[in-house]
Order: sequence, then structure tokens, then C-alpha cells
Amino acid sequence: AQTVTQSQPEMSVQEAETVTLSCTYDTSESDYYLFWYKQPPSRQMILVIRQEAYKQQNATENRFSVNFQKAAKSFSLKISDSQLGDAAMYFCAYNFNDYKLSFGAGTTVTVRA
Amino acid sequence: GAVVSQHPSRVICKSGTSVKIECRSLDFQATTMFWYRQFPKKSLMLMATSNEGSKATYEQGVEKDKFLINHASLTLSTLTVTSAHPEDSSFYICSATKTAAGDQPQHFGDGTRLSIL
Repeated sequence: AQTVTQSQPEMSVQEAETVTLSCTYDTSESDYYLFWYKQPPSRQMILVIRQEAYKQQNATENRFSVNFQKAAKSFSLKISDSQLGDAAMYFCAYNFNDYKLSFGAGTTVTVRA
Repeated sequence: GAVVSQHPSRVICKSGTSVKIECRSLDFQATTMFWYRQFPKKSLMLMATSNEGSKATYEQGVEKDKFLINHASLTLSTLTVTSAHPEDSSFYICSATKTAAGDQPQHFGDGTRLSIL
């Protein structure tokens, strides 16, 4: 079974600063997919970014970027120029070809004005 | 694109009643839909995987007779919580994918907050 670990229950960042959320996973597969989802207080799950394991290049979406280290099974999310609207719970997720998502425990991000 | 609508957003009912939650993909056909349960400040727990026209696949520990899932069309899946009790109170979220492939992201509904009195 695949497991996803987010070791930071909470993170706080000053507005306009950068914060990095950690995520590690365990798998024996070589091809798989990784995602970061954001869940604001409204509780809607929003896809932030995704990474295909066979691609070495780190994915980037505007202020969000990942540091994908396949050998280390690490998939961290960097939020640059943090905004108040970034405050949410962030979930790292793993997906193999059975298309079921395995979620981490989540990291709550607080943005200080 | 890829909008998923979930209804109702909130329901409060008495113990012993059955509650139906609908999940609709509005602008795409969803071969697969998923149902999750989430407790406050916790992660999403997959309950079952629903494929159009076939029986749902339940995760270990989920009572299939308690949580009835029907996926009658490519745009609609329903979750019925039968004879609900206070311990069934939770936040339920559905998601849908366009194809059954690992690279396809899941698109989530807004969730249903279920409160059983």
C-alpha cells in the first residue's frame, strides 16, 4: 500500500514571503502521479499542481512550484509571494494507475498580514 | 471546465432516517466517481469507488449496506446513508474523473455536511 506523509501539521508565513510544505511518499512503482490539493475554509478541494513521476522537470503553476526528488520520494510544495487567500489546508496526494488517490494528513497554512 | 456539483450542501435530520447525496459532473462525462468522508481538520478517507453501470467498490471497513452508492449515468452518482445515526455525522465529498487513468486529476464537489440529531 502506498503511504503519503506530511510531517508539518501547521505552517505560518508572513504575507509576501515564501513557505515550503513537505511531503514524502512510499511506493515501489516507477511511474505514478503526485498532486497538491488546497482546501480553504469553504472546504472545496482545489487542485494546485500535479507532477508526473517520469518527468524530471519540476512542475510550476504561477506562484506554486514543486521540488520533486524521485530517489528520495519527496514532493515538496513552495508557495512564493504568499497571499491571504493562500490560507488553507494543503494535501499531498499520490496516484498510481488504479486512479485512487492516497492523501497525506494535510498541512494547515496560516498567512499573517 | 470540469465542474462537479454536489447536493445538498448541508443536511440536518433525525436519527434513523435515510439521506441521499447527489454528485453530478456538469460539463463532462465521468467514468469514475469517488466518495470520501472527512472529519474536522483531518484528511479525506476514501469510502468507495463508483463506476457507471457497475457495482461500487468499497474500501475496507466501509459498510456497503449502510452507505449505498448508485452510479446510474455518466454524470450522476448518489450516496445514500441508510438509517443514519449520530456517528454518521461528517463531511462527505465526492469527486469525478473523466477517464480511468492515473494522470487524470479528480475534480471535487463542494461537499455535504451531514448532521444527525
